[in-house]
Amino acid sequence: QVQLVQSGAEVKKPGASVKVSCKASGYTFTGYYMHWVRQAPGQGLEWMGWINPNSGGTNYAQKFQGRVTMTRDTSISTAYMELSRLRSDDTAVYYCARENIAVNNWSVNWFDPWGQGTLVTVSS
Amino acid sequence: SSELTQDPAVSVALGQTVRITCQGDSLRSYYASWYQQKPGQAPVLVIYGKNNRPSGIPDRFSGSSSGNTASLTITGAQAEDEADYYCNSRDSSGNPYVVFGGGTKLTVL
Repeated sequence: QVQLVQSGAEVKKPGASVKVSCKASGYTFTGYYMHWVRQAPGQGLEWMGWINPNSGGTNYAQKFQGRVTMTRDTSISTAYMELSRLRSDDTAVYYCARENIAVNNWSVNWFDPWGQGTLVTVSS
Repeated sequence: SSELTQDPAVSVALGQTVRITCQGDSLRSYYASWYQQKPGQAPVLVIYGKNNRPSGIPDRFSGSSSGNTASLTITGAQAEDEADYYCNSRDSSGNPYVVFGGGTKLTVL
């Protein structure tokens, strides 16, 4: 079945970097954009950006530009999200999610499946 | 960038019908998708496009859209429907971005 499995929880100090992985299975990895979304404790979903696993092209939310890097390794069907210069307010659960687009209708898109989430805690 | 606005909280009596709304300019150009999230779990897709349900989602969940407003309707709400619900669409400001609504906490009484 189509599945995204993320790496385990991380604890980092302020100023450090974290790299979260998202391993895809059950479908052609290069055929779908992968997005990253985070959720701070008790807060809503916040979109961070996407990567095109086929070309490696990326697009990041303005808020994260300069601090986030999304990459992929097609040989192992895995996407990565690295966030640098961590602050305490980066403490959140980070999700990867596959974007699906309706055939011949780019205005219809949806995210399914989602990874199980990776808790990143930033604390001194 | 665009924004999507949702009511923070909505309640419904068991077995009754509830509508959760999502407003934003991007919805005039793009369809919303809807996600259910229960505590400690990842979001789950419940509705996408005009009114499409993934396999495994009960048919009491339906979607609709008019103008700048998308709606998720639960007809005959069950206790297990108590969760946070998020809408999402593409950004219509010209950037290749994605936007999420702030979420609606649904309480089933």
